[in-house]
Parts: sequence; C-alpha cells; structure tokens
Amino acid sequence: EVQLVESGGGLVQPGGSLRLSCAASAFPFSNDWMSWVRQAPGKGLEWVASIKPDGSDKYFVGSVKGRFTISRDNVKNSLYLQMNSLRAEDTAMYYCARLLGGVTTFVDWGQGTLVTVSS
Amino acid sequence: DIQLTQSPSFLSASVGDRVIVTCRASQGINNALAWYQQKPGKAPKLLIHTASTLHTGVPSRFSGSGFGTEFTLTISSLQPEDLATYYCQHRYTYPITFGQGTRLEIK
Repeated sequence: EVQLVESGGGLVQPGGSLRLSCAASAFPFSNDWMSWVRQAPGKGLEWVASIKPDGSDKYFVGSVKGRFTISRDNVKNSLYLQMNSLRAEDTAMYYCARLLGGVTTFVDWGQGTLVTVSS
Repeated sequence: DIQLTQSPSFLSASVGDRVIVTCRASQGINNALAWYQQKPGKAPKLLIHTASTLHTGVPSRFSGSGFGTEFTLTISSLQPEDLATYYCQHRYTYPITFGQGTRLEIK
C-alpha cells in the first residue's frame, strides 16, 4: 500500500522559514510526479507546487513563487518543501500527494502536517 | 487562472437519494477534471479522473460526466458514509485549481 508521511510542520513566526518532508514508500518514487497541496483551517484545497520525477521541472502557485522551493531525493524516496518568508496566510495543513501517471491528478495523499504562522 | 465554481456549496439529502454536484470552469478544459471526497479530519481521496473515469476501488454509485466547461458528479443512491465535502479540480494548465467545495450532509 502506498504510504506518504509528512513531517516538519509547526509554529513559526511571520518572516520565518520551515522545511517540510514527505517520506514515500511502496511505489516507484523516482518514476512519479509529486506535489504539495495545502488547506487553510476551515477552507478549501489549494495546489502549491509540483515536481517532475527527475526534479528538472517545477511548478508553483503564484502566491508562493520566489518564497517556496520544491525538491526531491530519489535515493531517499523523499519529497521536500522549503518555505521562506512565511506569512500568516500560509497557515494550513500541507499534504504531500502522488500524481496519477504523468497528469496532475492527485491519486495518493499523506495525512498532512500543520504549519502555523503566527507571532 | 482557470476558476472552478461548484454548486451547490451545501447540500442536505437523505439516504437513497440521487445527488448531483455541478462544477463549472471559467474556460474550456476538455475532460481534464477530477473529483475528490474529503471526510472530516481526513485527507482527500480521488473519486473520478478525466471527467468520467472511476478511480480504482471507488463504489459504482459514484459517476462523473461533462466536457468543456460543465461537469457533474452524481451519487446514484446516497449512503451514510458519503458524508463529506466534495471538490472538483482541473489539470488543463498551470496553475492547477480546485473548486470551493460542496459540503454534503445526510438528513
């Protein structure tokens, strides 16, 4: 069974940084596109970023461009999200997700890690 | 950016009812649409992709249809375990966006 386990969330002050990790297992991680999707408390889903299997292509939602970076380690079967210059509006549950084939459909999800940006 | 508008935002229905949720795109997206179910306190789950393809393991009472700008998710006979919020999502181009969600309550 596919497993995606996020970690690294927590409380951070505005302007601070945080690095999220996602440990993947039970599927060929190095073959699959991966993404981060977030959900603010009581709100809907928002796609954040996606990365190609070899890491050569990356895409971001406009609100995080220049502040967030997505990366992966195909040896460690891990996905990362480096978040800098954090704002209150970045407060959310962050989900790691595996994409279906080569298209941006989120077929498997982790349980999420909560990021709270507050002073 | 492509906007997805779901209707209704809230729906209350009885067990056994046929339920229909609509998703309208601000521009044509062919059949590049998926539907997700999110139960309270849980991660979303994929129900349907490519507008009408049922994902593996999803009960056959769920179905999807549509092309271009108008899409529907249908639950043919509502079950108590279908209490959830349902989201549509397009993959036509970046940025990927989701609808605002439809919260389904069981009467």
